Amino acid sequence: ELKVEQNPLFLSMQEGKNYTIYCNYSTTSDRLYWYRQDPGKSLESLFVLLSNGAVKQEGRLMASLDTKARLSTLHITAAVHDLSATYFCAAPPGSARQLTFGSGTQLTVLP
Amino acid sequence: EPEVTQTPSHQVTQMGQEVILRCVPISNHLYFYWYRQILGQKVEFLVSFYNNEISEKSEIFDDQFSVERPDGSNFTLKIRSTKLEDSAMYFCASRAGPGIKEDGYTFGSGTRLTVV
Repeated sequence: ELKVEQNPLFLSMQEGKNYTIYCNYSTTSDRLYWYRQDPGKSLESLFVLLSNGAVKQEGRLMASLDTKARLSTLHITAAVHDLSATYFCAAPPGSARQLTFGSGTQLTVLP
Repeated sequence: EPEVTQTPSHQVTQMGQEVILRCVPISNHLYFYWYRQILGQKVEFLVSFYNNEISEKSEIFDDQFSVERPDGSNFTLKIRSTKLEDSAMYFCASRAGPGIKEDGYTFGSGTRLTVV
């Protein structure tokens, strides 16, 4: 059974600072997804990482995937208040296509 | 940009009542899913649907739950006899399928179900 673990679960950071959210998964998976969720809202797709070594960037967010280490990271550069949200990583176990989600990282960016 | 549409956005129901949650997936997508999220917790898989049948389901998806795609556009989740612990946000998602490069999932805006 695939387990997906994120850390930290809660993150408060000052505007302008950098930080990394980590996502570990327990069994083989060929892709990794990152989502953003604002309170009471749906899941907004941020990144789809399809292969080992994949790196994608959008604005102040950069995601990477290391399938050998079963690790994905979401790096935040020079955080701004608008990035405050909960971030989830998710992976499909093996050849199955439903997603197993991590517990989420609740990010608060303080002025 | 194409969207997954869910109705209603919020439903309050009495324990023991049946509820039907509705979803209109993106029109050329082939795979459909229901997930739920209990308040403050992670998103949990319920069921996947492909080619007019269930392809996978989780332990949560017991015989109180059923899904249908009655008319080729709507995708519904029925809970036959709701329990207090069914209170959650329910998300529908659809996916294009193989052959699409990123093959991402598009989630609907969710239905907040409150069982009283």
